[in-house]
Amino acid sequence: ELKVEQNPLFLSMQEGKNYTIYCNYSTTSDRLYWYRQDPGKSLESLFVLLSNGAVKQEGRLMASLDTKARLSTLHITAAVHDLSATYFCAVDINNNDMRFGAGTRLTVKP
Amino acid sequence: EAGVTQFPSHSVIEKGQTVTLRCDPISGHDNLYWYRRVMGKEIKFLLHFVKESKQDESGMPNNRFLAERTGGTYSTLKVQPAELEDSGVYFCASSQGYGGLSGNTIYFGEGSWLTVV
Repeated sequence: ELKVEQNPLFLSMQEGKNYTIYCNYSTTSDRLYWYRQDPGKSLESLFVLLSNGAVKQEGRLMASLDTKARLSTLHITAAVHDLSATYFCAVDINNNDMRFGAGTRLTVKP
Repeated sequence: EAGVTQFPSHSVIEKGQTVTLRCDPISGHDNLYWYRRVMGKEIKFLLHFVKESKQDESGMPNNRFLAERTGGTYSTLKVQPAELEDSGVYFCASSQGYGGLSGNTIYFGEGSWLTVV
């Protein structure tokens, strides 16, 4: 059975600091997604990573994909309070049939 | 342009009752998905429509759940009879295409929060 594991599940960090969220998965896939969810809101698509070595950046967030290691990372640079949310990675296994990680709840403190 | 909309946003029903959740995908999106997150666990796939056809319903937990997408537009997810463990958030999502390397963005609705008491 496919497993998608995120760590950490909870992350509290100070503004201005850097940190990385990890997403490991257990089956072959060439598409990986990162989503952000604010409380009570829908999942907002952040990144779609399509190939080995893909790296995408948007603002203070940068995502990468290593399909050989079955690992994706979401790196946060100089965190700000507005980044506080829950972040999910999801692995596409079959035509947009996605399996989600448990989510990482990020809290950025002033 | 309107996003994926879901109705109702919140519902509280008694065990044994029936609830029907509705999802209106983004106009023109052939692909429609249902996911749910129960008891604070991970988001899990329920099923995938391509137009009006069920492409994959491997995630449907049991026969108390029935999803339809008549005419290939909006979709409904009916839970009958509801059980306590069905409480959670039911997300609908849609995308224009599927498969390949196009990396179609999948857009999510805000979810329908279901509480069974």
